[in-house]
Amino acid sequence: DGGITQSPKYLFRKEGQNVTLSCEQNLNHDAMYWYRQDPGQGLRLIYYSQIVNDFQKGDIAEGYSVSREKKESFPLTVTSAQKNPTAFYLCASSTHWTVQETQYFGPGTRLLVL
Amino acid sequence: AQSVTQLGSHVSVSEGALVLLRCNYSSSVPPYLFWYVQYPNQGLQLLLKYTSAATLVKGINGFEAEFKKSETSFHLTKPSAHMSDAAEYFCAANTGNQFYFGTGTSLTVIP
Repeated sequence: DGGITQSPKYLFRKEGQNVTLSCEQNLNHDAMYWYRQDPGQGLRLIYYSQIVNDFQKGDIAEGYSVSREKKESFPLTVTSAQKNPTAFYLCASSTHWTVQETQYFGPGTRLLVL
Repeated sequence: AQSVTQLGSHVSVSEGALVLLRCNYSSSVPPYLFWYVQYPNQGLQLLLKYTSAATLVKGINGFEAEFKKSETSFHLTKPSAHMSDAAEYFCAANTGNQFYFGTGTSLTVIP
């Protein structure tokens, strides 16, 4: 079955530690996205990638980094510079970066700070 | 900048009653509009999307939404609520540069 997988489901971060969230898709989609979800705030865009080897900052990129070395993979690193990382992180993908494209979402990773 | 407003962060309906979740967008140019549903600790699932082909859009699970340009609205409805409809619902707009999500409406279905 085609889809988007995110791992792990839960992730714990110690103070000062960098952690990486995995996102893999087998839909052959060009575009991929990372969102952060906090209660009552909807989804906020962290980074997006229109095509492999290219990515752009979203609205809240500070304290995060990404890479897009393979079409199917778009990992997100939460660095120690992100002072409030506790949230639900959602990865999404779409066929292309165009206005009518639907974004399809993975199951999410919940990040908690120890 | 484009924005999406969902009126009512919490909506409660009785089982079998009409579901109405409100969404308004701010744009002089109608964007492509979407409704997503999210169950606890899960990702978002597409319910339906408006792409200008028809103003009344039918989606999955008996939901539908009507695009009204004069009111800049895209409200989501379902004639008869089911217990399994209890979830968080997000309206979203795509203008080509970015997806804009509303803050979500939590739907509670009372037995």
